[in-house]
Amino acid sequence: DADVTQTPRNRITKTGKRIMLECSQTKGHDRMYWYRQDPGLGLRLIYYSFDVKDINKGEISDGYSVSRQAQAKFSLSLESAIPNQTALYFCATSDRTGSYGYTFGSGTRLTVV
Amino acid sequence: QQQVKQSPQSLIVQKGGISIINCAYENTAFDYFPWYQQFPGKGPALLIAIRPDVSEKKEGRFTISFNKSAKQFSLHIMDSQPGDSATYFCAASINDYKLSFGAGTTVTVRA
Repeated sequence: DADVTQTPRNRITKTGKRIMLECSQTKGHDRMYWYRQDPGLGLRLIYYSFDVKDINKGEISDGYSVSRQAQAKFSLSLESAIPNQTALYFCATSDRTGSYGYTFGSGTRLTVV
Repeated sequence: QQQVKQSPQSLIVQKGGISIINCAYENTAFDYFPWYQQFPGKGPALLIAIRPDVSEKKEGRFTISFNKSAKQFSLHIMDSQPGDSATYFCAASINDYKLSFGAGTTVTVRA
């Protein structure tokens, strides 16, 4: 099994719908992150969490919300999806030192029509 | 506004050649500079990282060169192989968390 598992892998949804992307990890890491990847823009941080009770906005949090249900689970929600939220979404984890880098999931490709 | 500027957007190199990707940053508080490699359909994976107290770090065919005064760092891929064809991201952070990524460089190695 993968260290960081994202579900679903692909999703097409309609404008205005609520959608949740899920992430679970077996690394035992405290820190979890949600990034979106767009061509020519790289990866941009949406939200990050250092533990279950610590959740922080990243640089592009508008239109998104998150929930840290447990140390191993971190979900991203789009309350009312819009077409410019079409992107590749990645969940990542890191340990407290961060020195061993991030472990990324395989991504969720989301299309909002 | 991206905190880390990466160039070129893409490059093509012959097998055995050298690939060079450059990144620049403005925030002098950054103290950790990793490079990530991403293959199609996969998430990025840590390739190599450097801290500003050294000017160069080498791991196999991959080398990071770091110029603190110029606020620039680069990735050199020596003896490029077709298996190196991927997208490469530079990144920077303060205290090892909340990485800011560059826009990415797609490297194609021609056999």
